Amino acid sequence: QLQLQESGPGLVKPSETLSLTCTVSGGSISSSSYYWGWIRQPPGKGLEWIGSISYSGSTYYNPSLKSRVTISVDTSKNQFSLKLTSVTAADTAVYYCARQGAGGRSFDYWGQGTLVTVSS
Amino acid sequence: DIQMTQSPSSVSAAVGDRVTIICRASQDISSWLAWYQQKPGKAPKLLIYAASSLQSGVPSRFSGSGSGTDFTLTISSLQPEDFATYYCQQANSFPRTFGGGTKVEIK
Repeated sequence: QLQLQESGPGLVKPSETLSLTCTVSGGSISSSSYYWGWIRQPPGKGLEWIGSISYSGSTYYNPSLKSRVTISVDTSKNQFSLKLTSVTAADTAVYYCARQGAGGRSFDYWGQGTLVTVSS
Repeated sequence: DIQMTQSPSSVSAAVGDRVTIICRASQDISSWLAWYQQKPGKAPKLLIYAASSLQSGVPSRFSGSGSGTDFTLTISSLQPEDFATYYCQQANSFPRTFGGGTKVEIK
């Protein structure tokens, strides 16, 4: 059974960089066809796609965040990561990592989510 | 970006009721639509992909239909564990976008 687990600081100061890692177990992150993505959800609000990385290393970012986001993969550790620079209070949210099926269409496996608060 | 609009934003229903949720895309997305269920404090769970394909392990009381710009999620007989918030998501193009959600509450 595939499992994903987010990890990283729960508190980040304004203007600093938010860094999260998603560890994948029960399957290889290098498997062809799959994409790996990040989604966030501000408290009490809806879901926002942040970006995805394909099995070939191609990246896709939400234009609203593109200038601040980097997603990368470490196949040796079976992990993928999110970096979001210059954070503000508006970036406070639960951050989820998820696997996407062929073509990066739907999100079929999700991590449990991690709350990141931006505050001084 | 493709905008996804769900209606209603909330619905009150009783156990055993049939519930229908509508999702409308701002442009043609063919059948590239997914539906998710989210319970409080939990990650979303994929219910339906490609508009009408039931994800493995999801009860058959859930069904999806539609193509182009108009889609529906139907719960044929609402069960106590179905009270949750439901989201649609277009999978036709990047950026991937979600609807605003529909909260299904107990009547």
